[in-house]
Amino acid sequence: QLQLQESGPGLVNPSETLSLTCTVSGASISSTTHYWGWVRQPPGEGLEWIGIIYYTGDTYYNPSLESRVTISLDMSKNQFSLRLTSVTAADTAMYYCASVRLGEGFDYWGQGILVTVSS
Amino acid sequence: DIQMTQSPSSLSASVGDRVTITCRASQGISNYLAWFQQKPGKAPKSLIYAASSLQSGVPSKFSGSGSGTDFTLTINNLQPEDFASYYCQQYNSYPYTFGQGTKLEIK
Repeated sequence: QLQLQESGPGLVNPSETLSLTCTVSGASISSTTHYWGWVRQPPGEGLEWIGIIYYTGDTYYNPSLESRVTISLDMSKNQFSLRLTSVTAADTAMYYCASVRLGEGFDYWGQGILVTVSS
Repeated sequence: DIQMTQSPSSLSASVGDRVTITCRASQGISNYLAWFQQKPGKAPKSLIYAASSLQSGVPSKFSGSGSGTDFTLTINNLQPEDFASYYCQQYNSYPYTFGQGTKLEIK
């Protein structure tokens, strides 16, 4: 079964860069059947779609974050990553990585990682 | 962006009840609609894709319907483990967008 696990620092200073990694097991990120994506959820709020990446490297980002976000693949480690630059307190959230099956949307989710932006 | 509006925002029900949550898209999305369940402190769980298809392992007490702009999630015979928040999401066009969520509480 496909499993995903987020990793990275839980605390980031304001104006710095948030970097998270998602390790995928049970499937290859070079699969043609899936995209790989990130979703976040501020404390007590709803879900926000950040973006997705295909094995070709094609990316699609939320326009509200596009100027600050990069999603990339590391085929050798079967991982994909999220970078969010110039963070503020508004970026404090639980960050989830997830797999997106073509035509079916999100199917599997990581457990999430809480990232707090504070000095 | 396509706006997704869920109703109600919160709902109280009893064990054994049947409940329906609605989700409306600001423009047509065909059947590219998914539903998720989220319990406190947990990651979302995928329930339904393509408006009415159950994800693997999801019990048949959950059902979805709709196409175009109007969709519903129905849960039959509510059990204590079903009390959670539910979100719809369109994946017809980028950016994928979620509804604001519906919190299902025990009456």
